[in-house]
Amino acid sequence: GAVVSQHPSWVICKSGTSVKIECRSLDFQATTMFWYRQFPKQSLMLMATSNEGSKATYEQGVEKDKFLINHASLTLSTLTVTSAHPEDSSFYICSALNTEAFFGQGTRLTVV
Amino acid sequence: AQSVTQLGSHVSVSEGALVLLRCNYSSSVPPYLFWYVQYPNQGLQLLLKYTSAATLVKGINGFEAEFKKSETSFHLTKPSAHMSDAAEYFCAVSDPGSEKLVFGKGTKLTVNP
Repeated sequence: GAVVSQHPSWVICKSGTSVKIECRSLDFQATTMFWYRQFPKQSLMLMATSNEGSKATYEQGVEKDKFLINHASLTLSTLTVTSAHPEDSSFYICSALNTEAFFGQGTRLTVV
Repeated sequence: AQSVTQLGSHVSVSEGALVLLRCNYSSSVPPYLFWYVQYPNQGLQLLLKYTSAATLVKGINGFEAEFKKSETSFHLTKPSAHMSDAAEYFCAVSDPGSEKLVFGKGTKLTVNP
């Protein structure tokens, strides 16, 4: 099956700094990628839809200025958590759309 | 609005026993339904999906699920559990033609020897 790679797998950052998470489709091109957030013992919540060459579409309640999404190529979307705070600590998962949605392995973000 | 309810955040079975993971959905239109599995520190992997064809859907690793419109259910089953089935399982729903998935909270399956 198609492979989607997220990097890093885990990251610890200081409060107030920014963190960038990459989502790459390794063996297919994806015009559409999705970013999800997963809280402990909760379901995955869709944050935004990333479209290559255009602005991302954010779900209601997601701050677009805090969670910057860039989809500059057909194989790469990035999510930047700006001015991170401890409440941003979570598991972030991306998926890339091919014949179906293929998911990355996720990124565990801890803000201290 | 669509929603998914997975009954039971934890399910424990013995190796060789039947696996039954429950999923009920709410949707204003005939939905597409999915089951995903997540192993520790890995991404979600599609087990199977229902897209309005046969109501009994067979997936990978011996899993299957049946779409029951009258019960708004899409329960996941496997006749005989294997130790390697231990993982977290997510049910998801989407509108036909939409790529947005709405997930349930997940069910953690434990398989005891």
